[in-house]
Amino acid sequence: GAVVSQHPSWVICKSGTSVKIECRSLDFQATTMFWYRQFPKQSLMLMATSNEGSKATYEQGVEKDKFLINHASLTLSTLTVTSAHPEDSSFYICSARYNGRDGGEQYFGPGTRLTVT
Amino acid sequence: AQTVTQSQPEMSVQEAETVTLSCTYDTSESDYYLFWYKQPPSRQMILVIRQEAYKQQNATENRFSVNFQKAAKSFSLKISDSQLGDAAMYFCAYRGRTGANNLFFGTGTRLTVIP
Repeated sequence: GAVVSQHPSWVICKSGTSVKIECRSLDFQATTMFWYRQFPKQSLMLMATSNEGSKATYEQGVEKDKFLINHASLTLSTLTVTSAHPEDSSFYICSARYNGRDGGEQYFGPGTRLTVT
Repeated sequence: AQTVTQSQPEMSVQEAETVTLSCTYDTSESDYYLFWYKQPPSRQMILVIRQEAYKQQNATENRFSVNFQKAAKSFSLKISDSQLGDAAMYFCAYRGRTGANNLFFGTGTRLTVIP
């Protein structure tokens, strides 16, 4: 299957600082990328959807000025958590999809654990 | 709006036995995809099996099979000959063929495999 990488795998930052998480599709071109947030023992919550070269579409309740998403190329999307606070601590997962022969499968990155102190 | 319901927060199975995880969904669309994803302790999401709604035949992948009942909007996962490595969170997910095509996830079922 296709591979999606995320970097970093975990990060600790101080309250008030910003942190950037990268998501890369390594062996395919991702027409659409998705960012999810997962709290402990809970399901994945979709934060936003982005298509290459266009602005991200944010889900209701997600602050777009706080969670900046950039989908600069068909293989790279970034999520920047601005002015992070302890309540932003969570597990962030990206996912990438291409409309390949298997009908547009979504592949997931390994996730990034963010801890804000 | 599409909703996916997993009514079993936790399940357990003896090694080598069979277990069935339940999932129901609600949609007004006629054509869509259904998925089961596995999330082991590493938290990497792994696709287990996929079903296309227009296909009547239930999908199978080695020890994993589904019971897809379109009229009842039910999509259960059967794991045969359970192995220790099957222990994980299992998420049922829905995706429509039109519109935003987002994945809608259920709340998950934690599967424990007893040696």
